[in-house]
Amino acid sequence: AQSVAQPEDQVNVAEGNPLTVKCTYSVSGNPYLFWYVQYPNRGLQFLLKYITGDNLVKGSYGFEAEFNKSQTSFHLKKPSALVSDSALYFCAVRPRGTGNQFYFGTGTSLTVIP
Amino acid sequence: DSGVTQTPKHLITATGQRVTLRCSPRSGDLSVYWYQQSLDQGLQFLIQYYNGEERAKGNILERFSAQQFPDLHSELNLSSLELGDSALYFCASSVGGTDLEQFFGPGTRLTVL
Repeated sequence: AQSVAQPEDQVNVAEGNPLTVKCTYSVSGNPYLFWYVQYPNRGLQFLLKYITGDNLVKGSYGFEAEFNKSQTSFHLKKPSALVSDSALYFCAVRPRGTGNQFYFGTGTSLTVIP
Repeated sequence: DSGVTQTPKHLITATGQRVTLRCSPRSGDLSVYWYQQSLDQGLQFLIQYYNGEERAKGNILERFSAQQFPDLHSELNLSSLELGDSALYFCASSVGGTDLEQFFGPGTRLTVL
């Protein structure tokens, strides 16, 4: 069965420090990989995606993600956290060639402490 | 603002009832997706429509149904509601049927009492 795991429900980081939000997946083949962010009372917003090529993907708002095929991971990173980055982050995968069904992780709540 | 609109924002109803959630995709988008977000299950894909036709089906209960109309708006019908159906229901849209980027609406919060 396809699954996406975000092992940390909550991540706290001090403002200005680097942040990492973890994601691992168990999906057949080489899926497309995504990160979305959800602010309170809002829908999900696209941050970045990995299709192919360079393992380090750059996205919106200074975020980047590192794809590791051997570890089937796609961790979200940012060199210097802002208080405004506090939100709920979702990792998602879409298997290739199987329609357009996305599988989401359960989300990680990021709190950036001033 | 993603350009995807959902109505109503909030809905409170009783067990056994039926409700309809509405979604208007971004202008030009042909695909609509429905998701259910609950505290214990996270974000679950329910169903996708592309240009009026069902394209992909996820964990959608038989009590739930959806359709996409000629003007491309979509409705999600939930019937015989149970307490466990209380959740946030999101609609998303994309230009094509297999696009990698989806644009999410603000959601409809359903509370079943």
